[in-house]
Amino acid sequence: DQQVKQNSPSLSVQEGRISILNCDYTNSMFDYFLWYKKYPAEGPTFLISISSIKDKNEDGRFTVFLNKSAKHLSLHIVPSQPGDSAVYFCAARGAGNMLTFGGGTRLMVKP
Amino acid sequence: DAGITQSPRHKVTETGTPVTLRCHQTENHRYMYWYRQDPGHGLRLIHYSYGVKDTDKGEVSDGYSVSRSKTEDFLLTLESATSSQTSVYFCAISAGLAAGEQYFGPGTRLTVT
Repeated sequence: DQQVKQNSPSLSVQEGRISILNCDYTNSMFDYFLWYKKYPAEGPTFLISISSIKDKNEDGRFTVFLNKSAKHLSLHIVPSQPGDSAVYFCAARGAGNMLTFGGGTRLMVKP
Repeated sequence: DAGITQSPRHKVTETGTPVTLRCHQTENHRYMYWYRQDPGHGLRLIHYSYGVKDTDKGEVSDGYSVSRSKTEDFLLTLESATSSQTSVYFCAISAGLAAGEQYFGPGTRLTVT
């Protein structure tokens, strides 16, 4: 039973437009949510996070939104750039600082 | 970048042989983790450590053991490798509960034939 799900395995957007990546979770005890970016043959890189007591966190072109009632979070990238093409994982923190990851969404930004 | 290295980076081994993967950090972080990444599953936690000699199981611990005799090193052992353990293995570190973020090493691609 997957506690964190990314229902879109891939997403394609045009350079300069907005990319929206979505993530759903089932465990209401998660207290922290994170997004990671992964290039091929590299380890995941931390991108942005949000505490469960907030509904928005922004860092440059990246904004994460949290809707606790819907158990849904999203990552917005504006404007999208070709270098943003990667696999994006959402993760949720539970007990003991353990992260549960979604299956990932491959983002392709076309020039 | 966080100072995390993994060795080896690539390994091919035969079914039934023992394999040990090493994770080394230079950040003096308390928490260390081993994950495996498989298509469609994201990253799944195998084992983690919350201090020297303190370890616990994760979601997919069967067939794996770990050891941490020094703060900087966390070893993952496959006692008798199976083809289902073919995967990419990532080590991660974290400073503590307040931090939230985990920082990942470059990964080890393991193929069990």
